[in-house]
Amino acid sequence: GAGVSQSPSNKVTEKGKDVELRCDPISGHTALYWYRQRLGQGLEFLIYFQGNSAPDKSGLPSDRFSAERTGESVSTLTIQRTQQEDSAVYLCASSLGGPREQYFGPGTRLTVT
Amino acid sequence: GENVEQHPSTLSVQEGDSAVIKCTYSDSASNYFPWYKQELGKRPQLIIDIRSNVGEKKDQRIAVTLNKTAKHFSLHITETQPEDSAVYFCAASGRYSTLTFGKGTMLLVSP
Repeated sequence: GAGVSQSPSNKVTEKGKDVELRCDPISGHTALYWYRQRLGQGLEFLIYFQGNSAPDKSGLPSDRFSAERTGESVSTLTIQRTQQEDSAVYLCASSLGGPREQYFGPGTRLTVT
Repeated sequence: GENVEQHPSTLSVQEGDSAVIKCTYSDSASNYFPWYKQELGKRPQLIIDIRSNVGEKKDQRIAVTLNKTAKHFSLHITETQPEDSAVYFCAASGRYSTLTFGKGTMLLVSP
């Protein structure tokens, strides 16, 4: 079946602009996660959605970052007033919920110039 | 919150040798410990995982061990091959199901 998909695959934006990144999880997966991976670094947790529960936003680095999820489907991560330090690969993952395997999407490479 | 430390940051071995990567975690409530492999430019993929009620798990050339008392777990790869070259991440998941990742180990297997 289809895996996790993300769009766009690459995004170049000017400093100060807003960007919106999209994630389509695996059908039936109730949990959805966003991570940030800077070049040569590990995965930094941003936000977690589980079903209809309030999301865990504890990893969002600033109030310029926000995310939404419609039910158990698509999620969008929005970064307002982008800064150069926001340049990274943004990875989305989904799972059946609980502590178990997370399936990652291919990521969106964001470059802020 | 959870803190995961991973060592070494880079590891170079000859083909056929064994490789060991070690991680420690801080939250005693963590109960799920996956290992992900990320090849250059690719997405992370799960290679093996272990839960806190198990001390060791094997899958062909890959094994993971867990010491709950000491709060550390390790990845063992035997008979390494060039295609094992990648970045490996350990992670720990606690009561809220989010994963905290280590900073990664770049494994280089030379033919």
